[in-house]
Amino acid sequence: GAVVSQHPSRVICKSGTSVKIECRSLDFQATTMFWYRQFPKQSLMLMATSNEGSKATYEQGVEKDKFLINHASLTLSTLTVTSAHPEDSSFYICSASRGGQGAFGAFFGQGTRLTVV
Amino acid sequence: GESVGLHLPTLSVQEGDNSIINCAYSNSASDYFIWYKQESGKGPQFIIDIRSNMDKRQGQRVTVLLNKTVKHLSLQIAATQPGDSAVYFCAENIDTGGFKTIFGAGTRLFVKA
Repeated sequence: GAVVSQHPSRVICKSGTSVKIECRSLDFQATTMFWYRQFPKQSLMLMATSNEGSKATYEQGVEKDKFLINHASLTLSTLTVTSAHPEDSSFYICSASRGGQGAFGAFFGQGTRLTVV
Repeated sequence: GESVGLHLPTLSVQEGDNSIINCAYSNSASDYFIWYKQESGKGPQFIIDIRSNMDKRQGQRVTVLLNKTVKHLSLQIAATQPGDSAVYFCAENIDTGGFKTIFGAGTRLFVKA
């Protein structure tokens, strides 16, 4: 199957600082990438959908100015958590898709554990 | 609304037995469904998928059943092994011009040796 890599796998940052998480598709061109957040013992909640070269589409309730998404190339999307606070501590997971209309399930990265202290 | 949910939050089975994990969805327009397995601290791993023009699909030790009449999905795992212990999510691909994958609540499967 396709490989999607996230970096870093774990990060601890101080409250008020910003953190960038990278998501790379290693062996295919991802026209669409998705960012999810997962709190302990809960499901994955979709935060936003990013298409290469265009602005991300955010889900209802997700602050676009706090969670900055950039999808500058077909193999890389980044999520920046700005002015992080302890409540932003979570497991962030990206997925990448070749595109198409429902033809493919997306491939997931291994996740990034963010802890804000 | 668009939602995918599960009937059982936890399931405990004896090693070697078959497991059945259930899921209900509400978006009748969805045409593609996926089951994922997630181990602790890792991202979801694709298990099996099914399109809405099918009612059954089999993989290695796994079978997905789709009942569109009652909007119900199930994942059957044959001869469950300790390595199958994980959280299982059903997910629904929603076409909004592109598509996005929406996850259900998840079921934790415990396999007793």
